[in-house]
Amino acid sequence: DIQMTQSPSSLSASVGDRVTITCRASQSISSYLNWYQQKPGKAPKLLIYAASSLQSGVPSRFSGSGSGTDFTLTISSLQPEDFATYYCQQSYSTPEFTFGPGTKVDIK
Amino acid sequence: EVQLVESGGGLVKPGGSLRLSCAASGFTFSSYSMNWVRQAPGKGLEWVSSISSSSSYIYYADSVKGRFTISRDNAKNSLYLQMNSLRAEDTAVYYCARDKYHSGYDSVDYWGQGTLVTVSS
Repeated sequence: DIQMTQSPSSLSASVGDRVTITCRASQSISSYLNWYQQKPGKAPKLLIYAASSLQSGVPSRFSGSGSGTDFTLTISSLQPEDFATYYCQQSYSTPEFTFGPGTKVDIK
Repeated sequence: EVQLVESGGGLVKPGGSLRLSCAASGFTFSSYSMNWVRQAPGKGLEWVSSISSSSSYIYYADSVKGRFTISRDNAKNSLYLQMNSLRAEDTAVYYCARDKYHSGYDSVDYWGQGTLVTVSS
């Protein structure tokens, strides 16, 4: 089974900050990596698919990069509505998706 | 507008059964694979099961294999999850979610609001 890890598990940041979240797979997954945002009490929302493709309607301040085992989600300038938990997900072994444990982004 | 509306959650005793439903609208349901994903209280996301557009391919997480059954009715634009032999560790919000397949890459692009299943005596 492919295991996913994320770092950090949480971070505090201010509006306007550049934020970077890292996701690592236990084996190479090429670019089969997606990122989701989840706010409390809400369903997850797809942000990035195929490691670096921006989902329709998602602001361009979100970007993804990486391939193989190491991936990054970057928020170029954190906005108030971006405070949430972010999950990576591998789709290499689709449809048996595996999610990372999540990174909570809160207000400093 | 794509909408996925789950129903059927509730409180059930260990060993009991429950059937979840998901009503889909706003897209051609019969053209998409569908998933169930769950989230235990305060925990992360866990994929549960997937079904292809014509029900030809069905997959389950090891944690639910042999106890849960996914199905769909394309004529009714509906997805189902029959859950038997429920355990306390099955307590979670269950999300119905649409599969997105683009240029060889899979993701989940639409999610329902979720339905809470609580397994407790």
